[in-house]
Amino acid sequence: EIVLTQSPGTLSLSPGERATLSCRASQSVSSSYLAWYQQKPGQAPRLLIYGASSRATGIPDRFSGSGSGTDFTLTISRLEPEDFAVYYCQQYGSSPTFGQGTKVEIK
Amino acid sequence: QLQLQESGPGLVKPSETLSLTCTVSGGSISSSSYYWGWIRQPPGKGLEWIGSIYYSGSTYYNPSLKSRVTISVDTSKNQFSLKLSSVTAADTAVYYCARQIELVPDIWGQGTMVTVSS
Repeated sequence: EIVLTQSPGTLSLSPGERATLSCRASQSVSSSYLAWYQQKPGQAPRLLIYGASSRATGIPDRFSGSGSGTDFTLTISRLEPEDFAVYYCQQYGSSPTFGQGTKVEIK
Repeated sequence: QLQLQESGPGLVKPSETLSLTCTVSGGSISSSSYYWGWIRQPPGKGLEWIGSIYYSGSTYYNPSLKSRVTISVDTSKNQFSLKLSSVTAADTAVYYCARQIELVPDIWGQGTMVTVSS
């Protein structure tokens, strides 16, 4: 099983700031099969990024993904008020697994 | 617009079988482009993939749950279902169904809370 470790656990930032979230895999993720999701309280997760760097339909371009192998990053270039949420990474190269999440909170 | 809706009992007794159904509307479950899957989230915790099914009936399960999980599809009703046997309190969670592209859930149901308690 590929274990995904996300850091930091919590990120305290102000609107307009840049957010950088990390996802590290215990072994290489094949073909960059890495996705990112946003989840707000009481809601289902929303797909943001797949294939490590491709934005899902309707996702603003302030969200970007990068990385390969075992190290992946989600960047939010300028935080909007609606971006404060929990973010999860997921690998789907083998039996899918999720990271434990990073909470982006208002500073 | 594709929508998914979970349904089933909100309370299940320990050692019994949890059964949920996901009804797909606004599109066909028989599309060759997608898988259909279940993901769960215990209260206050992260996400766990349970398993997925292709319209043909091919299934893929989380190895840690494989011995207890059965996912099936009914194309005539545009539904797919989850059965999880021998449940314990650790199976208490919000259960989501989702459409998947290459095992990436891109459209999710709203989720249904299932509590395991006597």
